[in-house]
Amino acid sequence: DTGVSQDPRHKITKRGQNVTFRCDPISEHNRLYWYRQTLGQGPEFLTYFQNEAQLEKSRLLSDRFSAERPKGSFSTLEIQRTEQGDSAMYLCASSPSVGINEQFFGPGTRLTVL
Amino acid sequence: GEDVEQSLFLSVREGDSSVINCTYTDSSSTYLYWYKQEPGAGLQLLTYIFSNMDMKQDQRLTVLLNKKDKHLSLRIADTQTGDSAIYFCAEGFSGGYNKLIFGAGTRLAVHP
Repeated sequence: DTGVSQDPRHKITKRGQNVTFRCDPISEHNRLYWYRQTLGQGPEFLTYFQNEAQLEKSRLLSDRFSAERPKGSFSTLEIQRTEQGDSAMYLCASSPSVGINEQFFGPGTRLTVL
Repeated sequence: GEDVEQSLFLSVREGDSSVINCTYTDSSSTYLYWYKQEPGAGLQLLTYIFSNMDMKQDQRLTVLLNKKDKHLSLRIADTQTGDSAIYFCAEGFSGGYNKLIFGAGTRLAVHP
């Protein structure tokens, strides 16, 4: 396990369709985060898991967005009824529960909604 | 409120020093981080500083923190073309408040 992986790397979908992204964190990390990054901006926090518990959600996370981490390992982020404004890079990060909260980021999933 | 601001662009000559600046509003941050993002690659942590420190040096990198003015800077000595990237500063917090608040990033261009 060399790092955080995300799948797919790119997703093109039509408006109104549902999409699901997967994140596999570094195996010994029990904290997992989702961020969204639009062009010319820094990552914006979406949600955070400690093991399988979703402990924090941003108000950016509308009811069309749902995230799960059922066994405390990989996580999925689903967007229902996608809108053009959902087009962005979706980043996953993980960190151990001790130390400086260094978050290790995956390469991201680039979503384009047509 | 939570807000982190950075200048958007910096151009330097190879071999010169680069200084990237950042201001933040939330004084309760525990750590302040500098991340680097290269095209097609994920964000990579470069360095961090604990909020009760004034300075941290790590090889070519020097981080300065002025907590009174809520100002953070990253100095890269002997800047190389491989340092061309986008640099993000971020605030982190302890006590269960684990998200990072990022600035918009500073694009560093290094030219010969």
